[in-house]
Parts: sequence; structure tokens; C-alpha cells
Amino acid sequence: QQQVKQSPQSLIVQKGGISIINCAYENTAFDYFPWYQQFPGKGPALLIAIRPDVSEKKEGRFTISFNKSAKQFSLHIMDSQPGDSATYFCAASRRPGNTGKLIFGQGTTLQVKP
Amino acid sequence: DTAVSQTPKYLVTQMGNDKSIKCEQNLGHDTMYWYKQDSKKFLKIMFSYNNKELIINETVPNRFSPKSPDKAHLNLHINSLELGDSAVYFCASSQEPQSYEQYFGPGTRLTVT
Repeated sequence: QQQVKQSPQSLIVQKGGISIINCAYENTAFDYFPWYQQFPGKGPALLIAIRPDVSEKKEGRFTISFNKSAKQFSLHIMDSQPGDSATYFCAASRRPGNTGKLIFGQGTTLQVKP
Repeated sequence: DTAVSQTPKYLVTQMGNDKSIKCEQNLGHDTMYWYKQDSKKFLKIMFSYNNKELIINETVPNRFSPKSPDKAHLNLHINSLELGDSAVYFCASSQEPQSYEQYFGPGTRLTVT
């Protein structure tokens, strides 16, 4: 099964709070787990990515936590800001025989209230 | 400088018509993609070309035909448009086929009436 399940579908957080988005996958052959951010009217843009041999990766206020045994990974946005309001997609890609095919989660619309 | 550009940004047309969307990237990438984003924002890959060669061809109606005249351009032609084709179509590119780092264009919102 090449599926990535994402939750929640939507999320409202107060400014300064922590936003948490979760994803689960089934195919253990996935080898990269990127997160994409999409603002209204724009295309998705790569935010941060992690390999399954790493349990956590942090870039600024954005952190990916990875649990290989549970086949789950999550995005944490610390000190959430109104400018973070966007739709976030987790994704997974697979080797070998990977042709750059990204399997996207269903997306989470984040609203950060001032 | 726009990295991945698409034209047109909006496309409104009637059922049964044929339309094309054009995509160009100036990143020097070898691989380009077409994605469809439906009304629920679900993103699904349709096609991918590497150096003008088709490498991903998902289960898409054969009314959709991609064409890559060179590695910087990937066009999407749609015949006999149907209501269900209404969506936002994104072009993307990456350095190589195995890359998870893909650069997306601004999208083309297609509305079929």
C-alpha cells in the first residue's frame, strides 16, 4: 500500500502556541519524508524533510519527529505565528526504483489566530 | 526570476472543449511533473518526464496528454474536457527523478462549465 494518512484535517492555534500535525504510513520502503507548505493561491513549497534513520530534525521553529517502529512522523511548529497559516502536506518517497514519485497526505489547513 | 512558471493561471472553458496548459522551468532541472489538486486540496501526481522521457504515467484518462518539447518545458493537453476535470493543476520540477525536493509552479485553476 502506498498511502500516507494525515491528521488533523484542520487546526486552529493561538499565536505563540504549538501546532502539531501527524502522519502515518504503511510502506516501509519509503525513504524520505518531506513536508510541504502551501499558501492560498500558491504552489506547495518544500519546508523540511527527514530520513527514517533520524528520529528528529529541527529547522528554526519547525521540527519533524520520526517514529520508525510506529511508522509515524509529525511536524511541530513552535511559537506559531499568523504567517504560518497555510496548508501543510506530509509526503513520502520511495527507493529503490524511485522515480521521484511523492505520495502526499491529505493536507492540514492551519490557522494561527493573532 | 520565476523558477517554475505556468500559463494560464486561470482557465474557464465549456465541457467538450480541448485546452492546453504550459509549463516552463529555468532551474536547469532534468525532471518535470504534472500534479492535480482537487477541491479537497488532495495532491496527486499525473505524469513525470525526465529529460523529455515519460517516466511516470499514473492512471489518468487518456484525454490527458503531456508533451515535453525539451527538458525545460512540459505541457499538458486535455481533450474533451469534463466537469470532473475542474481542479488546480500544478507543474513541478526537480534536479533528478529520485529527488523528494520538488519545486512547484503557481498552478493553473481549470474550471469546466
